[in-house]
Amino acid sequence: EAGVAQSPRYKIIEKRQSVAFWCNPISGHATLYWYQQILGQGPKLLIQFQNNGVVDDSQLPKDRFSAERLKGVDSTLKIQPAKLEDSAVYLCASSLNGQRGDETQYFGPGTRLLVL
Amino acid sequence: AQTVTQSQPEMSVQEAETVTLSCTYDTSESDYYLFWYKQPPSRQMILVIRQEAYKQQNATENRFSVNFQKAAKSFSLKISDSQLGDAAMYFCAYRSTNTGNQFYFGTGTSLTVIP
Repeated sequence: EAGVAQSPRYKIIEKRQSVAFWCNPISGHATLYWYQQILGQGPKLLIQFQNNGVVDDSQLPKDRFSAERLKGVDSTLKIQPAKLEDSAVYLCASSLNGQRGDETQYFGPGTRLLVL
Repeated sequence: AQTVTQSQPEMSVQEAETVTLSCTYDTSESDYYLFWYKQPPSRQMILVIRQEAYKQQNATENRFSVNFQKAAKSFSLKISDSQLGDAAMYFCAYRSTNTGNQFYFGTGTSLTVIP
């Protein structure tokens, strides 16, 4: 079974530029999560999708971050414009259907973003 | 918002020995879920063990077990017979049962296994 795929693996941009990350969850998984992991910290949930609908985006900085999952499968996370403090690893995860609170999340390898 | 605290930034253990990683959390909810995730140097995070708050019995998964103390809001992870492959960053996580099922992670404990 293929795991969660993310691209690119690394990205370096200058502040005020835009950047987009892509995630393809495990086939059949209805729930998709985007996390931000700043160096030395634990992951912080940015947004959770159930199919193509947003379940929770309370910690997403909506003035500069946006995310979509138009067809309920893969997803993109965009930052526009980027700030220095956005430097982090962006993790994507998926789970089967989000119905159980103890459902296993499967994580991708992450995209490491450096903003100069 | 709930907070998850891991007070041990780094721990080390001799191969084949036992180590305990600590985690405390702050919540006003009575029902929630707790997890331990492992993040090896390759950075792909995987689930180690999970616990439902309404279950009093401590969860176990092979060499991994938890000590869940609900009143003390404590959720420690015990790794028995430590192996070199256990070396990783370990994150404690809390999942709310409120709308949105928000996840909260601790800052992690880096575990070194000494051969």
